Amino acid sequence: DQQVKQNSPSLSVQEGRISILNCDYTNSMFDYFLWYKKYPAEGPTFLISISSIKDKNEDGRFTVFLNKSAKHLSLHIVPSQPGDSAVYFCAARRSQGNLIFGKGTKLSVKP
Amino acid sequence: DSGVTQTPKHLITATGQRVTLRCSPRSGDLSVYWYQQSLDQGLQFLIHYYNGEERAKGNILERFSAQQFPDLHSELNLSSLELGDSALYFCASSPRTGGQPQHFGDGTRLSIL
Repeated sequence: DQQVKQNSPSLSVQEGRISILNCDYTNSMFDYFLWYKKYPAEGPTFLISISSIKDKNEDGRFTVFLNKSAKHLSLHIVPSQPGDSAVYFCAARRSQGNLIFGKGTKLSVKP
Repeated sequence: DSGVTQTPKHLITATGQRVTLRCSPRSGDLSVYWYQQSLDQGLQFLIHYYNGEERAKGNILERFSAQQFPDLHSELNLSSLELGDSALYFCASSPRTGGQPQHFGDGTRLSIL
């Protein structure tokens, strides 16, 4: 039973345009959501997070939106840069603190 | 550099063997989490330790065990290895239980031949 789903395995975007990565979850008890970026041969790197009591959090080019009624969150990257090319994981926190991860979306930003 | 150190980076061994993966958390972090990433899968939570005590277990096999030592480093022990245990094993740390974000090491790639 996959509690966190990233339904798009890959996404290709032109440099300078907006990248939108989506994530759906099923457990309404999740109270905190995070996005991680992962380059090959490296561990996941924390990107941005959002508490379940908010609907938007912004950090520079990165914005995360949370729609609790739809159990959906998205990551917007504007403008996209070639260096943003990586695998992006959505994660949700359970009460004990461990994270439930989606399977990831591979973003390719083309120059 | 996340500040989380995992050794070794690569490990190749045979079925039936036992291995130990090591993790040093970021300075000051008391919580250590272990995750497994198999091919085309997201990271699967295995186990969580806080200040030396086990706090939560996830999808960890009985053949696997972990511990956190007084200096806060942690070890994940995998025994009676099977081909299906081949995966990336990540360690993450955070200052306290439930604290976010977790910061990840670069992982240990385990290959079972």
